[in-house]
This record gives sequence, structure tokens and C-alpha cells, in this order.
Amino acid sequence: AQSVAQPEDQVNVAEGNPLTVKCTYSVSGNPYLFWYVQYPNRGLQFLLKYITGDNLVKGSYGFEAEFNKSQTSFHLKKPSALVSDSALYFCAVRDSLPPVNYGGSQGNLIFGKGTKLSVKP
Amino acid sequence: NAGVMQNPRHLVRRRGQEARLRCSPMKGHSHVYWYRQLPEEGLKFMVYLQKENIIDESGMPKERFSAEFPKEGPSILRIQQVVRGDSAAYFCASSRIREGDNEKLFFGSGTQLSVL
Repeated sequence: AQSVAQPEDQVNVAEGNPLTVKCTYSVSGNPYLFWYVQYPNRGLQFLLKYITGDNLVKGSYGFEAEFNKSQTSFHLKKPSALVSDSALYFCAVRDSLPPVNYGGSQGNLIFGKGTKLSVKP
Repeated sequence: NAGVMQNPRHLVRRRGQEARLRCSPMKGHSHVYWYRQLPEEGLKFMVYLQKENIIDESGMPKERFSAEFPKEGPSILRIQQVVRGDSAAYFCASSRIREGDNEKLFFGSGTQLSVL
């Protein structure tokens, strides 16, 4: 069964410092990995995804994530945090082996519990 | 493109009443997903629908909950005889089927259901 874990409920960072939000996963096949961000009173927004290719994936708002197969991790990173980055971040995973009746579209994404990022001035 | 539209934004119901949550996917999207966000629990998948078909309802509670996505009109998540434990934020997302499209989802702003 597929699963995803975000071990930190909250991450506190000073503005200008680098940030890391951790994510580990478990799937049967190859993972499709995603990061979404949720600002207060808003729906989730896509940040970036890893399907295949380079292990370092660059996404929106200066974020990037590194896929590490041996550690089954997909940590979200940013070299220099902004106060406006404060939000709830969700890691999500989908197994590359969806049920046969899915008809080619997306199967279920499994989301982590979310990590609250707080960036202080 | 107006994005994924959910209404109402806030819905208050008393125990035993029915709640109907609506979701209009993005233009051109024919796949709709419903998620429930409970405090401290993140997002939980509920159901995945295509037009007029339920593809996967493995995350739906067996009783009181139902979903539809008719040929015309929005997708509806219906909760009958609501209980306090149903209080949560319900998010709808949509995607467009395309070969090789390993998708990102587009989410609505959610409906906050409060059961008194």
C-alpha cells in the first residue's frame, strides 16, 4: 500500500534562511511525487512534481525538491525563505501502478498530514 | 478560466439535516475528486468521478455519503443526516484526461461544513 509521511507538524525559519520541509513515501512501483501549498482560506496549489528524470525538481515560487530513491524521500527546499512562504505544505504520492480500471487518468493521490511553515521576519 | 469553483464557502447544518456541496471543475476538465480535510489529519481522498460515472469511491463512508457528477452541471457531494463528526473542510479538485498527463490537480477553495 502506498503512504506518505511528513514527520514535522511545524517548521520555523527566519526570513532569508534556507528551509526544508521533509517528506518520505512508500509505494509498490515507482513513485509519482507532488508538493502542494495551502494558503489560509484557500484551496491547494500545485508547486512541483517528480515523475521521472532529474532528481532535483524546480517548481513555483523558487521552491525545489530532491527525489532520493534510496532514502525514499522527497524533501521540499528553498534557498532563502520569505515571510509570504508561510503556509501549509502537503506532500503527495501516487503509485506508478494504478488499478487497471482507471482509464488512463490520475489515480488517487495520497497526501501527507501537512507541515505548517512559519517564516519570521 | 475561472478555476475550480466550490459553493457554498461555508455551510452550517444542524444534526440530522442534509448537506449538499457543489463543485464545478475547470473548463475542459472531466475528472473530479473530492477530499476531506480534518484538523490535524491532512487531506483524505473520498471519491473520484468522471462524467456520469463513479470511478473510485474507496474513501467514502459507507453510509450517508454519496457523490455524483452528471452530464450537465456541477459535481455534488451529498451528506445525509449530518453528524458533528462530519464537520470539516471539503475540497474538490479537477484534472483533464490526456494521454501521458501525469497530472497536477487544480483545487477549489473548499467548503467548510459546520454541524451544530
